[in-house]
Amino acid sequence: TQLLEQSPQFLSIQEGENLTVYCNSSSVFSSLQWYRQEPGEGPVLLVTVVTGGEVKKLKRLTFQFGDARKDSSLHITAAQPGDTGLYLCAGPTGANNLFFGTGTRLTVIP
Amino acid sequence: NAGVTQTPKFQVLKTGQSMTLQCAQDMNHNSMYWYRQDPGMGLRLIYYSASEGTTDKGEVPNGYNVSRLNKREFSLRLESAAPSQTSVYFCASSWDRGAYEQYFGPGTRLTVT
Repeated sequence: TQLLEQSPQFLSIQEGENLTVYCNSSSVFSSLQWYRQEPGEGPVLLVTVVTGGEVKKLKRLTFQFGDARKDSSLHITAAQPGDTGLYLCAGPTGANNLFFGTGTRLTVIP
Repeated sequence: NAGVTQTPKFQVLKTGQSMTLQCAQDMNHNSMYWYRQDPGMGLRLIYYSASEGTTDKGEVPNGYNVSRLNKREFSLRLESAAPSQTSVYFCASSWDRGAYEQYFGPGTRLTVT
């Protein structure tokens, strides 16, 4: 059983559309991180959410941490080709390491 | 400021050959990590080093060894490569373990034939 399930696995949309991707778990996390990975590069941190119910905005990206701290969502408004990439959520485990979800691969078509 | 650097960028090995992947960070981070990334599997932790002088197994350590040479450098060795080790390998570092932001290198794409 994966600690973090991400959906959808793949998403292809037109430029200008809105989208939401999800990160779900049956476990409670003290915090969750979201990373974006562009082709041929390593992941780069976008945001960390810490408090249940927290909402953080990063330009056109809105991140929400579930009230029970078991899930998180990423909403992108008016997607642009530069948003294309693999979006990964990650949370600290009981072994004090980060566990990464399998990711959502987003393609924004111009 | 280079961040996390990895060498080589690409490598092709024959089954049974050995190689060492090199990683260095210039951010004075205490913790360093090696991950492998396979399609549909996400990032899986191979080994980590919580601090200089310590190393521990992660989720998928079989077939690998590591050395934390000093605070800056953390290498990953494949003693006898197998086709199942074909993957993209990422080194990362962070100030400490747990929920701290991890900084990743550009990756090494390894193919074992």
